[in-house]
Amino acid sequence: EPEVTQTPSHQVTQMGQEVILRCVPISNHLYFYWYRQILGQKVEFLVSFYNNEISEKSEIFDDQFSVERPDGSNFTLKIRSTKLEDSAMYFCASRATGTPNSPLHFGNGTRLTVT
Amino acid sequence: QKEVEQDPGPLSVPEGAIVSLNCTYSNSAFQYFMWYRQYSRKGPELLMYTYSSGNKEDGRFTAQVDKSSKYISLFIRDSQPSDSATYLCARNAGGTSYGKLTFGQGTILTVHP
Repeated sequence: EPEVTQTPSHQVTQMGQEVILRCVPISNHLYFYWYRQILGQKVEFLVSFYNNEISEKSEIFDDQFSVERPDGSNFTLKIRSTKLEDSAMYFCASRATGTPNSPLHFGNGTRLTVT
Repeated sequence: QKEVEQDPGPLSVPEGAIVSLNCTYSNSAFQYFMWYRQYSRKGPELLMYTYSSGNKEDGRFTAQVDKSSKYISLFIRDSQPSDSATYLCARNAGGTSYGKLTFGQGTILTVHP
């Protein structure tokens, strides 16, 4: 069964450094998302991306964050200058279509640790 | 106002028990509700998807939505140790934001042999 893959599984970085989290969504999916989950807290929506542009973003997704689909297969989340509070699990997700019954498929996440 | 509330548990049951997991939500405009299962160190996996009120059954799983009381439930029959996971309820925003989900905090379930 096709799946969303994320790399790396764990990323450790120092505060102030830039990080890029990588995702390969399911082939032929058109809608892409990033979510995050701080330890012990809820899974939170960050951003949605369709047709090579951001369609919606949360308050968390400030100017330090950016997303890109650099080619036909990868979808990346960049954090420009990491803060301690950016430490979390980051999940990439994709959907085939924009209809309500098109399910969201999640990857297994990248654990980001900012020291 | 918190949008989706879920008792975090933990909930521990013996194998074979019927499990009932519940969530409440605050906004009656929500229309689509989901249950996700999340194993340790894995991403959420969609179990059930419901629209409107009523029941939906899939194997040992039944999802129930009661819009009058703003209550959603997941029942697991004949629970197995492999069902041990965190169960997340979620709703999507409607309109064109079907992929933007709001999750509950998750209920940790342990099914012991």
